Amino acid sequence: EAGVVQSPRYKIIEKKQPVAFWCNPISGHNTLYWYRQNLGQGPELLIRYENEEAVDDSQLPKDRFSAERLKGVDSTLKIQPAELGDSAVYLCASSGAGPSYEQYFGPGTRLTVT
Amino acid sequence: AQRVTQPEKLLSVFKGAPVELKCNYSYSGSPELFWYVQYSRQRLQLLLRHISRESIKGFTADLNKGETSFHLKKPFAQEEDSAMYYCALSGYGYGQNFVFGPGTRLSVLP
Repeated sequence: EAGVVQSPRYKIIEKKQPVAFWCNPISGHNTLYWYRQNLGQGPELLIRYENEEAVDDSQLPKDRFSAERLKGVDSTLKIQPAELGDSAVYLCASSGAGPSYEQYFGPGTRLTVT
Repeated sequence: AQRVTQPEKLLSVFKGAPVELKCNYSYSGSPELFWYVQYSRQRLQLLLRHISRESIKGFTADLNKGETSFHLKKPFAQEEDSAMYYCALSGYGYGQNFVFGPGTRLSVLP
């Protein structure tokens, strides 16, 4: 079992450029999470999916961030345009059914915006 | 709004000493509490959750609803316990939010 897969692992872009992150959850996991983790802080939930439905996107900056989870499996998180303050590690996690279950995390994507 | 606080950013103890990592929360209902851990160069992973009442790697945590705390304890720290520890909270049921605390870095000295 490969676990949660994320790509790319690292990304360096200039501000105002677009960027996309991809996540493949553990097979059979209905719930998928995207987190942002700034240096020295805990993960901050951006969006949570139950199958294809986004059930919690209250912390997603909707003016520049978007996410999708087509067919309830893979997910993509996009930032357009990126700002300097978006530099962080973006984590994807999945769980069986809802946040009361154990979350399995991917390795994360480290984004640097210059 | 639900919130998790961990007052210590860094906690250093000597090997064999007791460890207590503090976690306090605010939540209007009955929460589910977790401790997640991230060892160096590894993924974030679940250490324990209060509902299972397990002892994992010698760690235990008791939910104290009166003090709204969920402190993580281990009687004798080992060097391999050095890691980042995050307390986290979820409500029960569909649509409930999930929030992490800021984390405490535990350093176990030889």
